[in-house]
Amino acid sequence: KAGVTQTPRYLIKTRGQQVTLSCSPISGHRSVSWYQQTPGQGLQFLFEYFSETQRNKGNFPGRFSGRQFSNSRSEMNVSTLELGDSALYLCASSLSDRTSTDTQYFGPGTRLTVL
Amino acid sequence: DQQVKQNSPSLSVQEGRISILNCDYTNSMFDYFLWYKKYPAEGPTFLISISSIKDKNEDGRFTVFLNKSAKHLSLHIVPSQPGDSAVYFCAASGGYGNKLVFGAGTILRVKS
Repeated sequence: KAGVTQTPRYLIKTRGQQVTLSCSPISGHRSVSWYQQTPGQGLQFLFEYFSETQRNKGNFPGRFSGRQFSNSRSEMNVSTLELGDSALYLCASSLSDRTSTDTQYFGPGTRLTVL
Repeated sequence: DQQVKQNSPSLSVQEGRISILNCDYTNSMFDYFLWYKKYPAEGPTFLISISSIKDKNEDGRFTVFLNKSAKHLSLHIVPSQPGDSAVYFCAASGGYGNKLVFGAGTILRVKS
């Protein structure tokens, strides 16, 4: 079974631009979560989707948004990029909506650099 | 407000010895705890978990201990191997519908 895939793997943008990251979950998985990883901060939860509905949202500004499609693929968008948005963005999928206890399977991440 | 803390940014251990990674939490509503391992250029992978109804869970060389009164959990790796060198993240959740909260991670280096 193919794992979680994320595209692109690397991205360089300038301040003020917007960016869209994509995540394809493991086949059959209906839940997708997004995390931001920065040095010293660990993984910060962004949002979680299940069956196209946002079920949970972390403490990030409204510039961060996401959505999930009927095939469970998910995208996240960051508008008006700031230097502090430079990070590794990780997507994780799980089988059910019990993401707090289900094993989450992570993709390799998208490394975003904002100049 | 960091609800899950891994106070040791890094740990260095000799091959064959025990590695002990620690994690403290502040939210008494957390009832499920997990450890993930991350290699460079890869996403985190699930290692082991423990429910708050237990105080120990074992899987091969990996054992997680939970001390609810101290709000502390630890991951023991015995014996440590060079392939265990990675970043280890502790995570906690408060049950169904609640998000997973991760610590900042501990870099483990196992020297051969």
